Amino acid sequence: DVKVTQSSRYLVKRTGEKVFLECVQDMDHENMFWYRQDPGLGLRLIYFSYDVKMKEKGDIPEGYSVSREKKERFSLILESASTNQTSMYLCASSLGGHDEQFFGPGTRLTVL
Amino acid sequence: GENVEQHPSTLSVQEGDSAVIKCTYSDSASNYFPWYKQELGKGPQLIIDIRSNVGEKKDQRIAVTLNKTAKHFSLHITETQPEDSAVYFCAAEGGYNTNAGKSTFGDGTTLTVKP
Repeated sequence: DVKVTQSSRYLVKRTGEKVFLECVQDMDHENMFWYRQDPGLGLRLIYFSYDVKMKEKGDIPEGYSVSREKKERFSLILESASTNQTSMYLCASSLGGHDEQFFGPGTRLTVL
Repeated sequence: GENVEQHPSTLSVQEGDSAVIKCTYSDSASNYFPWYKQELGKGPQLIIDIRSNVGEKKDQRIAVTLNKTAKHFSLHITETQPEDSAVYFCAAEGGYNTNAGKSTFGDGTTLTVKP
């Protein structure tokens, strides 16, 4: 079974803090993704990576950065957390193009 | 870029009835259309997908149809059961940046199946 794990299910941070969200997949997938999920807005792509050290901006990259130093791990970084970044964050991975994306359980981040 | 619209946003049906969710997309080069189901407290999970060389695909009680000319595709669930209650997302992929497998998602449909 493909497994995508996220470091935390729930996280509470203060405005201005630097926040790291970690994602690990165990199926040697090439592609990894970070999405943000808000009610009524679906899944919005923040960043994706199709290879180690490669990254591309998604639809809403402002205020976020990412790191992929190893194939199995994709990190989302909030350089200076703000209240409008309170959301559910979902990580996903896929083998390649036109393939199923496997999602982690999500991290609910609250920024106070 | 691609734009995917999904309707309805909420859908309530009686157990045993059928449910239909519709999506339209804007990029005529899109050629992969997955559907995901998200249960409470979990990440989305693929339930069915269709590629542009196929007009319809069926898997037990679930079917997806694709009309490339009109740029729309639909999810059909027959004989609904309470465990079908979830949020469903459509997505479109292909065209721009195909190699990265980047999908554009609809806003989701909350399906409630009443016993």
